[in-house]
Amino acid sequence: GAGVSQSPSNKVTEKGKDVELRCDPISGHTALYWYRQSLGQGLEFLIYFQGNSAPDKSGLPSDRFSAERTGGSVSTLTIQRTQQEDSAVYLCASSPRPGAEAFFGQGTRLTVV
Amino acid sequence: SQQGEEDPQALSIQEGENATMNCSYKTSINNLQWYRQNSGRGLVHLILIRSNEREKHSGRLRVTLDTSKKSSSLLITASRAADTASYFCATDANFNKFYFGSGTKLNVKP
Repeated sequence: GAGVSQSPSNKVTEKGKDVELRCDPISGHTALYWYRQSLGQGLEFLIYFQGNSAPDKSGLPSDRFSAERTGGSVSTLTIQRTQQEDSAVYLCASSPRPGAEAFFGQGTRLTVV
Repeated sequence: SQQGEEDPQALSIQEGENATMNCSYKTSINNLQWYRQNSGRGLVHLILIRSNEREKHSGRLRVTLDTSKKSSSLLITASRAADTASYFCATDANFNKFYFGSGTKLNVKP
């Protein structure tokens, strides 16, 4: 596609349920990033992929969070046993190489009720 | 923390005026980027300045970088109502992630 695509755009889930958020990066972009943004706040780094490997998982807030990337393309962020504090906009970005300009998707707004 | 911090947190100006936002960071960087965000969703890249550059221009945007002071500024000249948005700086120390600050909310009044 022409840009980074994220799905779903909005997700409402009940506390305790698992959710999967998907990111389709720009074709050919080797670097992929996940960030989280709470209302009115800055972006919190979650994880970075170079190809299919994740050399930096330091931002994942707990072991309930995991992410994978397959085929050097699509990435999935999974949150298990969701909590209300997980409510935020989850943003994915891709870049042709680490350190270059990042292109962001429109995000997934997750609401845990 | 590597995070950049923007200043001011909020800025309100009249259309046609210039807007200046500042960013400070804590450790050495490879490059610094500025992004814009409308309505709390996706960010749009504005400009990237490398650590060996001091000033860069793109249209109505002017970015400066002072590595000795660990600071950067973004100047938007002749602002328009459409420039109303949140602006973030992102610092990159080791090419594997960007740290974002909390942003400056710019309101340009028509």
